[in-house]
Amino acid sequence: GAVVSQHPSWVICKSGTSVKIECRSLDFQATTMFWYRQFPKQSLMLMATSNEGSKATYEQGVEKDKFLINHASLTLSTLTVTSAHPEDSSFYICSARHRDSSSYEQYFGPGTRLTVT
Amino acid sequence: EDQVTQSPEALRLQEGESSSLNCSYTVSGLRGLFWYRQDPGKGPEFLFTLYSAGEEKEKERLKATLTKKESFLHITAPKPEDSATYLCAVQASKTDKLIFGTGTRLQVFP
Repeated sequence: GAVVSQHPSWVICKSGTSVKIECRSLDFQATTMFWYRQFPKQSLMLMATSNEGSKATYEQGVEKDKFLINHASLTLSTLTVTSAHPEDSSFYICSARHRDSSSYEQYFGPGTRLTVT
Repeated sequence: EDQVTQSPEALRLQEGESSSLNCSYTVSGLRGLFWYRQDPGKGPEFLFTLYSAGEEKEKERLKATLTKKESFLHITAPKPEDSATYLCAVQASKTDKLIFGTGTRLQVFP
């Protein structure tokens, strides 16, 4: 149980284009999903917290107009990187917290490797 | 400010050589401390949650312990397949956010 998937697993796009990454909780409902970014040999940095049916909460320094987050259902959140630039190249990972859990574990997806050329 | 520090940054062990990884933290009211394992190019895999000082949890060759200032991840008789980066994270009360440490990169040689 507690499986989270991401699609695509890797993507290459040209500078100036937009890319959408999907995050799905496959066997549970998640009221809250999280988006992280991880640079090589560094730890995970939280970008934003998304709650189903409401606007995402972005961390300080993360541009909300550049990283659009939509959490339309209890099993799906999407991250769209708009007008991507090479400095946006990174490993993007989502996580989800079980809706009915009294604990606070976050279960992570496998990640999406974005390369902007 | 909530903060997590992990040590050592890297650890090389011979197969069967037991050791411990450290996670020191400062947090305004601990809701939970989490250990994850991350393999290269993959997302973190959940291992343990600890909620209060004195708590211990075990899974196969891994055992996690918690005090008011730090947590240890003990690895007993490690195998090469235990090679990975081990991440520690804390969650402060009244928040859903996890604050991650930079991880310990473990390599176990046969």
